[in-house]
Amino acid sequence: AQSVTQLGSHVSVSEGALVLLRCNYSSSVPPYLFWYVQYPNQGLQLLLKYTSAATLVKGINGFEAEFKKSETSFHLTKPSAHMSDAAEYFCAVSPNTGNQFYFGTGTSLTVIP
Amino acid sequence: EAQVTQNPRYLITVTGKKLTVTCSQNMNHEYMSWYRQDPGLGLRQIYYSMNVEVTDKGDVPEGYKVSRKEKRNFPLILESPSPNQTSLYFCASSLSFVGDRGQETQYFGPGTRLLVL
Repeated sequence: AQSVTQLGSHVSVSEGALVLLRCNYSSSVPPYLFWYVQYPNQGLQLLLKYTSAATLVKGINGFEAEFKKSETSFHLTKPSAHMSDAAEYFCAVSPNTGNQFYFGTGTSLTVIP
Repeated sequence: EAQVTQNPRYLITVTGKKLTVTCSQNMNHEYMSWYRQDPGLGLRQIYYSMNVEVTDKGDVPEGYKVSRKEKRNFPLILESPSPNQTSLYFCASSLSFVGDRGQETQYFGPGTRLLVL
């Protein structure tokens, strides 16, 4: 079965600092990869997705992620954190054969003024 | 407005009392799915449906049932709820399965918070 590991359940950054949220997957064949954001008391919203096209994926709100097959990673970054980025972030995978989704356990991002 | 709706948003019930959480989407999506979210465990897929009358188990299907009689609706049924099913539930839909062409985005409902006493 697929698995997704998000290192760091809580990450704090200062406003204006780099945001780096880590995600590693376990699969011998690169799956489809996603990052979702969840604001308090809301559902999930897609930030970006990797679907075997460009390895550097740009998403909404200035976020981007790079697919690295050799490291089985799909880390999420943003050059400069805003207060509005404070939320829970989930990495997810979907195998390119099969119809299921697997989510990581989430990383809560705090932005310090 | 394109959206996924869930009802009820909050529900308190007792062990063994059957309940249904409804999910409806107005985007003519084929793929629909249910997840539960628990602290420290992230989201786990319960059931999904590729299209009308086609459903399949996700990671944690035990204790749940689903049906897909119409494209727009995908209710989640707990025939005999237990306290370990206390959770936050999300329904989601996409035009087709995300992996088919890798292009489709999943849209999530606002969530249903369930407490089973």
